[in-house]
Amino acid sequence: DGGITQSPKYLFRKEGQNVTLSCEQNLNHDAMYWYRQDPGQGLRLIYYSQIVNDFQKGDIAEGYSVSREKKESFPLTVTSAQKNPTAFYLCASWPLAGAPANTGELFFGEGSRLTVL
Amino acid sequence: ELKVEQNPLFLSMQEGKNYTIYCNYSTTSDRLYWYRQDPGKSLESLFVLLSNGAVKQEGRLMASLDTKARLSTLHITAAVHDLSATYFCAVYGGATNKLIFGTGTLLAVQP
Repeated sequence: DGGITQSPKYLFRKEGQNVTLSCEQNLNHDAMYWYRQDPGQGLRLIYYSQIVNDFQKGDIAEGYSVSREKKESFPLTVTSAQKNPTAFYLCASWPLAGAPANTGELFFGEGSRLTVL
Repeated sequence: ELKVEQNPLFLSMQEGKNYTIYCNYSTTSDRLYWYRQDPGKSLESLFVLLSNGAVKQEGRLMASLDTKARLSTLHITAAVHDLSATYFCAVYGGATNKLIFGTGTLLAVQP
């Protein structure tokens, strides 16, 4: 079945370590997004990419990095520069192009929960 | 800069009652989305509203969009416990191809 796969679902990190969260989609969507969610809060945009080899910063990009070498993949690295990385991270994708019926609906993965020890 | 506000942030309802969640946004947009999130889970799409006056209904939930007022509502009819969740609206940012989320409304339906 088509969808978005995030891994790992749970991750523990020691302070000072970089970690990479994986996001893979087989929906043939053009755009991919990373959001961060803190407890009891809404979603904040970290980075997004509309085409391969191109990406833009969102509202809270500091301390994070991404790459988009393949259409299907958009990994997020949480670097040691991110001061408070404990959060729930959601990856999403969006079919920018398509038929007139394309609603541009954002599809989400199951999320990755990162905890800093 | 597009900003999206929801109210109330928290809503405690009794089963069988009706209520409305409001979503206001600051700049012109012709697309608005409603999502549901259960605790510890990802977001599930509920409604996609694509034009002024659009109304969508699914079960006890009905969503509407007024692009002139920059307002969407999510109306809950005869609430049941299964509707307890956090509900988010999200507004399409146009040329930026970004989706900006509201702060969410935590709905708790009490028996």
